[in-house]
Amino acid sequence: DGGITQSPKYLFRKEGQNVTLSCEQNLNHDAMYWYRQDPGQGLRLIYYSQIVNDFQKGDIAEGYSVSREKKESFPLTVTSAQKNPTAFYLCASSFGTGLTEAFFGQGTRLTVV
Amino acid sequence: GNSVTQMEGPVTLSEEAFLTINCTYTATGYPSLFWYVQYPGEGLQLLLKATKADDKGSNKGFEATYRKETTSFHLEKGSVQVSDSAVYFCALSERETSGSRLTFGEGTQLTVNP
Repeated sequence: DGGITQSPKYLFRKEGQNVTLSCEQNLNHDAMYWYRQDPGQGLRLIYYSQIVNDFQKGDIAEGYSVSREKKESFPLTVTSAQKNPTAFYLCASSFGTGLTEAFFGQGTRLTVV
Repeated sequence: GNSVTQMEGPVTLSEEAFLTINCTYTATGYPSLFWYVQYPGEGLQLLLKATKADDKGSNKGFEATYRKETTSFHLEKGSVQVSDSAVYFCALSERETSGSRLTFGEGTQLTVNP
Protein backbone atom coordinates (compact mmCIF):
# COMPACT_ATOMS: atom_id res chain seq x y z
CA ASP A 1 0.00 0.00 0.00
CA GLY A 2 1.54 3.30 -1.10
CA GLY A 3 1.72 6.17 1.29
CA ILE A 4 3.72 8.46 3.48
CA THR A 5 4.66 7.37 7.00
CA GLN A 6 5.69 9.53 9.91
CA SER A 7 7.02 8.13 13.14
CA PRO A 8 6.54 8.26 15.99
CA LYS A 9 3.02 9.64 16.38
CA TYR A 10 3.83 11.14 19.80
CA LEU A 11 7.25 12.24 20.99
CA PHE A 12 8.37 13.72 24.29
CA ARG A 13 11.76 15.33 24.82
CA LYS A 14 13.48 17.36 27.47
CA GLU A 15 14.38 20.95 26.76
CA GLY A 16 17.85 21.31 25.25
CA GLN A 17 17.84 17.96 23.48
CA ASN A 18 17.88 17.51 19.72
CA VAL A 19 15.21 15.21 18.31
CA THR A 20 14.75 13.69 14.85
CA LEU A 21 11.35 13.06 13.26
CA SER A 22 11.12 10.39 10.62
CA CYS A 23 9.30 10.68 7.27
CA GLU A 24 9.29 7.92 4.65
CA GLN A 25 7.30 7.67 1.40
CA ASN A 26 6.89 4.86 -1.10
CA LEU A 27 4.99 6.89 -3.67
CA ASN A 28 8.10 7.55 -5.80
CA HIS A 29 7.55 11.28 -5.30
CA ASP A 30 10.40 13.65 -6.04
CA ALA A 31 9.38 16.47 -3.71
CA MET A 32 9.04 16.30 0.06
CA TYR A 33 8.04 18.94 2.62
CA TRP A 34 7.94 19.58 6.36
CA TYR A 35 5.25 21.78 7.91
CA ARG A 36 4.62 22.90 11.44
CA GLN A 37 1.09 23.34 12.80
CA ASP A 38 0.29 25.15 16.04
CA PRO A 39 -3.14 25.03 17.72
CA GLY A 40 -5.74 27.00 15.79
CA GLN A 41 -3.23 28.03 13.16
CA GLY A 42 -2.46 27.12 9.60
CA LEU A 43 0.55 25.23 8.31
CA ARG A 44 3.93 26.90 8.09
CA LEU A 45 6.63 25.54 5.80
CA ILE A 46 9.90 24.58 7.50
CA TYR A 47 11.95 22.97 4.72
CA TYR A 48 11.32 21.38 1.35
CA SER A 49 13.28 19.27 -1.10
CA GLN A 50 12.69 18.78 -4.80
CA ILE A 51 15.45 16.23 -5.46
CA VAL A 52 17.87 14.03 -3.55
CA ASN A 53 20.79 15.85 -1.89
CA ASP A 54 19.11 19.24 -2.29
CA PHE A 55 16.71 21.17 -0.06
CA GLN A 56 15.54 24.74 0.55
CA LYS A 57 14.54 26.69 3.62
CA GLY A 58 10.90 27.48 4.06
CA ASP A 59 9.40 30.30 6.07
CA ILE A 60 10.45 29.14 9.56
CA ALA A 61 13.68 27.13 9.10
CA GLU A 62 15.56 28.56 12.09
CA GLY A 63 16.26 25.90 14.70
CA TYR A 64 15.58 23.01 12.31
CA SER A 65 17.73 20.91 9.98
CA VAL A 66 16.98 18.28 7.32
CA SER A 67 18.72 15.84 5.02
CA ARG A 68 17.67 14.15 1.77
CA GLU A 69 20.10 11.30 1.18
CA LYS A 70 17.47 9.02 -0.31
CA LYS A 71 14.45 9.80 -2.46
CA GLU A 72 12.04 8.12 -0.06
CA SER A 73 13.30 9.67 3.18
CA PHE A 74 13.31 13.23 4.53
CA PRO A 75 14.06 13.34 8.28
CA LEU A 76 13.65 16.56 10.27
CA THR A 77 15.84 17.38 13.27
CA VAL A 78 14.48 19.83 15.81
CA THR A 79 17.54 21.31 17.47
CA SER A 80 17.96 22.91 20.87
CA ALA A 81 18.15 26.26 19.06
CA GLN A 82 14.43 26.08 18.25
CA LYS A 83 12.89 28.30 20.89
CA ASN A 84 9.38 26.89 20.89
CA PRO A 85 9.49 23.35 19.50
CA THR A 86 6.26 21.96 20.93
CA ALA A 87 3.93 21.55 17.93
CA PHE A 88 2.34 19.14 15.47
CA TYR A 89 4.71 18.35 12.59
CA LEU A 90 3.45 17.23 9.20
CA CYS A 91 5.45 15.71 6.37
CA ALA A 92 4.18 15.73 2.80
CA SER A 93 5.28 14.65 -0.66
CA SER A 94 4.30 15.40 -4.26
CA PHE A 95 5.25 14.50 -7.82
CA GLY A 96 8.09 16.46 -9.36
CA THR A 97 8.08 20.20 -9.43
CA GLY A 98 4.70 20.57 -11.07
CA LEU A 99 1.66 22.20 -9.57
CA THR A 100 0.29 18.95 -8.18
CA GLU A 101 -1.33 18.16 -4.88
CA ALA A 102 0.66 17.01 -1.87
CA PHE A 103 0.03 13.84 0.12
CA PHE A 104 0.40 14.09 3.88
CA GLY A 105 1.52 11.76 6.63
CA GLN A 106 -0.42 11.36 9.87
CA GLY A 107 1.80 13.79 11.73
CA THR A 108 4.05 13.70 14.80
CA ARG A 109 3.07 15.57 17.94
CA LEU A 110 6.23 16.75 19.67
CA THR A 111 6.10 17.91 23.26
CA VAL A 112 9.17 19.42 24.87
CA VAL A 113 9.14 19.58 28.65
CA GLY B 1 4.90 36.65 -1.84
CA ASN B 2 1.98 34.30 -2.18
CA SER B 3 -0.75 34.25 0.44
CA VAL B 4 -4.12 32.66 1.15
CA THR B 5 -6.85 34.20 3.28
CA GLN B 6 -9.76 32.16 4.62
CA MET B 7 -12.87 33.29 6.38
CA GLU B 8 -12.49 33.24 10.12
CA GLY B 9 -14.00 30.39 12.06
CA PRO B 10 -15.21 28.50 13.81
CA VAL B 11 -18.32 27.77 11.77
CA THR B 12 -21.20 25.88 13.40
CA LEU B 13 -24.09 24.56 11.31
CA SER B 14 -27.02 22.22 11.70
CA GLU B 15 -27.16 19.04 9.65
CA GLU B 16 -28.43 19.62 6.08
CA ALA B 17 -27.54 23.32 6.14
CA PHE B 18 -25.73 25.02 3.25
CA LEU B 19 -22.00 25.59 3.71
CA THR B 20 -19.77 28.30 2.30
CA ILE B 21 -16.17 28.84 3.38
CA ASN B 22 -14.57 31.83 1.68
CA CYS B 23 -11.02 31.73 0.34
CA THR B 24 -9.12 34.44 -1.52
CA TYR B 25 -5.53 34.36 -2.67
CA THR B 26 -2.62 36.51 -3.78
CA ALA B 27 -0.17 35.11 -6.31
CA THR B 28 2.14 36.51 -8.94
CA GLY B 29 1.41 33.96 -11.66
CA TYR B 30 -1.08 31.18 -12.34
CA PRO B 31 -1.33 28.95 -9.29
CA SER B 32 -3.18 25.70 -8.78
CA LEU B 33 -5.74 25.86 -5.98
CA PHE B 34 -6.70 23.21 -3.43
CA TRP B 35 -8.98 22.48 -0.52
CA TYR B 36 -7.69 20.08 2.13
CA VAL B 37 -9.55 18.60 5.11
CA GLN B 38 -8.07 17.63 8.47
CA TYR B 39 -9.82 15.39 10.99
CA PRO B 40 -8.74 15.57 14.66
CA GLY B 41 -5.21 14.30 15.30
CA GLU B 42 -4.59 13.42 11.66
CA GLY B 43 -2.77 14.72 8.63
CA LEU B 44 -4.39 16.58 5.76
CA GLN B 45 -6.34 14.91 2.97
CA LEU B 46 -6.94 16.47 -0.43
CA LEU B 47 -10.64 17.30 -0.84
CA LEU B 48 -10.63 18.91 -4.30
CA LYS B 49 -8.49 20.96 -6.65
CA ALA B 50 -8.57 23.25 -9.70
CA THR B 51 -5.62 24.01 -11.92
CA LYS B 52 -6.82 26.87 -14.13
CA ALA B 53 -9.29 29.71 -14.24
CA ASP B 54 -13.00 28.74 -14.33
CA ASP B 55 -12.20 25.10 -13.41
CA LYS B 56 -14.59 23.60 -10.88
CA GLY B 57 -13.24 21.05 -8.44
CA SER B 58 -15.73 18.69 -6.79
CA ASN B 59 -15.69 15.73 -4.42
CA LYS B 60 -18.08 14.19 -1.86
CA GLY B 61 -20.67 16.90 -2.50
CA PHE B 62 -18.18 19.74 -2.02
CA GLU B 63 -17.46 22.18 -4.86
CA ALA B 64 -15.19 25.15 -5.50
CA THR B 65 -14.67 27.24 -8.64
CA TYR B 66 -11.37 28.92 -9.55
CA ARG B 67 -12.26 32.60 -10.10
CA LYS B 68 -9.30 34.51 -11.44
CA GLU B 69 -11.14 37.81 -11.72
CA THR B 70 -11.91 37.83 -7.98
CA THR B 71 -8.87 35.70 -6.96
CA SER B 72 -11.20 33.41 -5.04
CA PHE B 73 -11.81 29.69 -4.51
CA HIS B 74 -14.79 29.46 -2.15
CA LEU B 75 -15.79 26.03 -0.83
CA GLU B 76 -19.51 25.10 -0.92
CA LYS B 77 -21.69 22.15 0.00
CA GLY B 78 -25.43 22.05 -0.36
CA SER B 79 -26.23 19.85 2.64
CA VAL B 80 -23.66 19.19 5.34
CA GLN B 81 -23.52 16.09 7.53
CA VAL B 82 -22.20 15.54 11.04
CA SER B 83 -19.31 13.59 9.49
CA ASP B 84 -18.17 16.78 7.67
CA SER B 85 -17.02 18.24 10.99
CA ALA B 86 -13.31 18.95 10.51
CA VAL B 87 -10.84 21.74 9.76
CA TYR B 88 -10.76 22.91 6.14
CA PHE B 89 -7.67 24.49 4.56
CA CYS B 90 -7.47 26.43 1.33
CA ALA B 91 -4.06 26.28 -0.39
CA LEU B 92 -2.27 27.33 -3.53
CA SER B 93 0.72 25.94 -5.37
CA GLU B 94 2.83 28.11 -7.62
CA ARG B 95 6.05 27.34 -9.43
CA GLU B 96 9.10 29.16 -8.07
CA THR B 97 12.75 29.15 -9.10
CA SER B 98 13.43 26.44 -6.50
CA GLY B 99 10.39 24.36 -7.43
CA SER B 100 6.75 24.48 -6.40
CA ARG B 101 5.48 24.76 -2.85
CA LEU B 102 2.10 24.85 -1.13
CA THR B 103 0.95 27.94 0.74
CA PHE B 104 -1.94 27.40 3.18
CA GLY B 105 -4.63 29.55 4.69
CA GLU B 106 -5.15 29.45 8.44
CA GLY B 107 -7.90 26.87 8.33
CA THR B 108 -11.59 27.01 9.20
CA GLN B 109 -13.02 24.76 11.90
CA LEU B 110 -16.44 23.40 10.89
CA THR B 111 -18.78 21.77 13.41
CA VAL B 112 -22.03 20.22 12.21
CA ASN B 113 -24.65 19.45 14.85
CA PRO B 114 -27.33 16.79 14.43
